[in-house]
Amino acid sequence: QVRLVQSGAEVKKPGASVKVSCKASGYTFRTSAMHWVRQAPGHSLEWMGWINLFNGNSKYAQGLQGRVSITRDTSANTVYMEMSRLTYEDTAMYYCAREQGSTWHEWFDPWGQGTLVIVS
Amino acid sequence: QSVLTQPPSASGTPGQRVTISCSGSGSNIGRNIVNWYQQLPGTAPKLLIYTDSQRPSGVPDRFSGSKSGTSASLAISGLQSEDEADYYCATWDDSLNGWVFGGGTKLTVL
Repeated sequence: QVRLVQSGAEVKKPGASVKVSCKASGYTFRTSAMHWVRQAPGHSLEWMGWINLFNGNSKYAQGLQGRVSITRDTSANTVYMEMSRLTYEDTAMYYCAREQGSTWHEWFDPWGQGTLVIVS
Repeated sequence: QSVLTQPPSASGTPGQRVTISCSGSGSNIGRNIVNWYQQLPGTAPKLLIYTDSQRPSGVPDRFSGSKSGTSASLAISGLQSEDEADYYCATWDDSLNGWVFGGGTKLTVL
């Protein structure tokens, strides 16, 4: 079955960068897109951006533009999310989620187990 | 402040029917499909309803979704204790050019 496995928790200092990985299995990697969503403690979900796994094109949420980079390694079936210039407000659980559906009818399924990033 | 507005909490007794609303605008729900996600305590979100009203395989038919104009709703009938979770609506926003989520509704089964 389709499975997304993320890298382990990270503790970073303010101003540092973090890179989280998401390894996919159970489907043909390049046939879909991958999204990243984060959730600060006690808060709702915030969409961060996505990457087209076929051509590597990525797009980011307006508020995170310039600080987030989403890349992929097709040989390793892995997607990476890197965030720079971390602040305390970036402390959150970070999730990758596979996009399914068709144009204008997409949804996220499944989701990775989450990676906790603590900025302290 | 989330772009999509959900009630912060909802509750019901076992067997009851509860409804969770999700209010948006013409740039999001009014023009795009709505998905719903269930997040059990301490776990990742899970797809519950997609494309307004479709249920993925494995999701009980006690869960149903609907949409009208700029609002969407999630209904849960025959409430069970295992339905206690946070529920989020999500859709694409044409103005923001990105996905937006509701603030989430915490469902308590009394």
